[in-house]
Amino acid sequence: TQLLEQSPQFLSIQEGENLTVYCNSSSVFSSLQWYRQEPGEGPVLLVTVVTGGEVKKLKRLTFQFGDARKDSSLHITAAQTGDTGLYLCAGPRGGTSYGKLTFGQGTILTVHP
Amino acid sequence: EAGVAQSPRYKIIEKRQSVAFWCNPISGHATLYWYQQILGQGPKLLIQFQNNGVVDDSQLPKDRFSAERLKGVDSTLKIQPAKLEDSAVYLCASSLEWLSNEQFFGPGTRLTVL
Repeated sequence: TQLLEQSPQFLSIQEGENLTVYCNSSSVFSSLQWYRQEPGEGPVLLVTVVTGGEVKKLKRLTFQFGDARKDSSLHITAAQTGDTGLYLCAGPRGGTSYGKLTFGQGTILTVHP
Repeated sequence: EAGVAQSPRYKIIEKRQSVAFWCNPISGHATLYWYQQILGQGPKLLIQFQNNGVVDDSQLPKDRFSAERLKGVDSTLKIQPAKLEDSAVYLCASSLEWLSNEQFFGPGTRLTVL
């Protein structure tokens, strides 16, 4: 069974601070995705990382895929209250490169004004 | 482009009752997924459809859960009879095809079993 473990589970910070969320596995994934989910809504895809060592930037968010494709991180610079939400990492199950996803348990981020 | 639609948004039932959820995927999306998200956890895949056929239902508790997608578009997920531990958000997602890595999620149905 491919498991994804996220840390920390909860993060409460002030606006303007930086933060990093981690997603780790003992298994190799062909790709990893990061989603953000707001209360009462479904997850929304932020990014897909495919190549080991890959770094992708989305405004103040920086995503990195580990060289061995077993881990990923999400770094947010100068957090804003609008960044508040549940951050989920996910990867395709069963050694495939598409389709069925297995999710981490999520990191609940609260950014205070 | 309209997103994935789900109804109802909220449902409260008593244990041993039955409940059904409805999902309308994005137009043209061949693949449809149902996920269960228990509070404090990430979504867990229950079943995957490709058009009107089941691709994977290995994690669906088949003694009480059933799902169908008869015409390859809309889908329903049913629980009969419900248990307390079924309290969760049920998310529907769709993708253009089963080879696609991008899934689009609906808002979910929050089920509370008393």
